[in-house]
Amino acid sequence: EDKVVQSPLSLVVHEGDTVTLNCSYEVTNFRSLLWYKQEKKAPTFLFMLTSSGIEKKSGRLSSILDKKELFSILNITATQTGDSAIYLCVRGGSGANNLFFGTGTRLTVIP
Amino acid sequence: ETGVTQTPRHLVMGMTNKKSLKCEQHLGHNAMYWYKQSAKKPLELMFVYNFKEQTENNSVPSRFSPECPNSSHLFLHLHTLQPEDSALYLCASSQPGGSSYNEQFFGPGTRLTVL
Repeated sequence: EDKVVQSPLSLVVHEGDTVTLNCSYEVTNFRSLLWYKQEKKAPTFLFMLTSSGIEKKSGRLSSILDKKELFSILNITATQTGDSAIYLCVRGGSGANNLFFGTGTRLTVIP
Repeated sequence: ETGVTQTPRHLVMGMTNKKSLKCEQHLGHNAMYWYKQSAKKPLELMFVYNFKEQTENNSVPSRFSPECPNSSHLFLHLHTLQPEDSALYLCASSQPGGSSYNEQFFGPGTRLTVL
């Protein structure tokens, strides 16, 4: 079964905290691991990871993939209230229909 | 207009109604998708169209009927829905080619309520 498991399911932090979101997956036809941020409606793309051990960074967000242990983490430093959202982890395979979404982590950042 | 647009943004319908959801992408992509997002469940892939050909169905009930007249437009026709079909329906597009299939661009979604 192509499962993507995210943890924690929800998280409440104060502004300025650093958070780590986890994603583990089962390997079947693996091509990439993606992170999306979903605030109100449309998920927006954050990162696509294809190689182990190479950190991708965008401002206060960073992510890394471990293909041996089959997991990825998303780090957010110095969190802001605008970071409040659901963060979705997605495992991608080859082909248009090989995308498997996790349930997401709901992050709430309080002032 | 850029990106992926969806109309309507909200829809309330009775179980005997027939309605359609529309998605349009302005990104030049050749693959388009319909997803269903219910509360506390992962996004569920419903349909995939690749170069206007349907390539995935995922055992979606026949009360959902997709249509892809060209690579920029995607419809989801709805008839005799059930209350449990109430959800957010998201459209996405991507450009085929290796792992770039995987990076999808999502529309804002249609919040559907079936009474």
